[in-house]
Amino acid sequence: DQQVKQNSPSLSVQEGRISILNCDYTNSMFDYFLWYKKYPAEGPTFLISISSIKDKNEDGRFTVFLNKSAKHLSLHIVPSQPGDSAVYFCAASAYGNEKLTFGTGTRLTIIP
Amino acid sequence: DADVTQTPRNRITKTGKRIMLECSQTKGHDRMYWYRQDPGLGLRLIYYSFDVKDINKGEISDGYSVSRQAQAKFSLSLESAIPNQTALYFCATSDRDFNQPQHFGDGTRLSIL
Repeated sequence: DQQVKQNSPSLSVQEGRISILNCDYTNSMFDYFLWYKKYPAEGPTFLISISSIKDKNEDGRFTVFLNKSAKHLSLHIVPSQPGDSAVYFCAASAYGNEKLTFGTGTRLTIIP
Repeated sequence: DADVTQTPRNRITKTGKRIMLECSQTKGHDRMYWYRQDPGLGLRLIYYSFDVKDINKGEISDGYSVSRQAQAKFSLSLESAIPNQTALYFCATSDRDFNQPQHFGDGTRLSIL
């Protein structure tokens, strides 16, 4: 049972445009959500997070949106840069339980 | 994250062998985790430890054991390796405060023949 789903295995975006990565979850107990970026031969790197008391969190070019009623979150990258090419994982956890449940990842390719 | 070090980075071994993967951290975090990544399956939790005396099973602990030797060290063992344990293994750490992100090492690529 995949509790965190990233339905797009890959996404290609022109440099300078907006990249939108999507993630859906099924467990209503999840209340903390994270995005990680992963380059080949490296571990996942924390990018941005959001708790369920918010619907938006912004950090520079990265913004995460949370729609609790739809159990959906998205990561917006504006403007997209070549260095953003990587695999992006969303992850979620429930209060008092620090275990993360990961999605399967989306490979983002930024086209120069 | 250079503060989370995994050794070895790559390992090829044979079915039935005992293998230990090691993780050490200089972040001063209490919490440590072991995950495995398989193609198309994301990262799945094997074991986690919230302090030296606290060890917990994750969703896929069968065939694995762990040891938390110190706050900074958390090792994962495969007692008798089998080919379907071929995967990329990651160690992670996090602070004890509520809603803190986990920080990952660069992984160990393990191949079991």
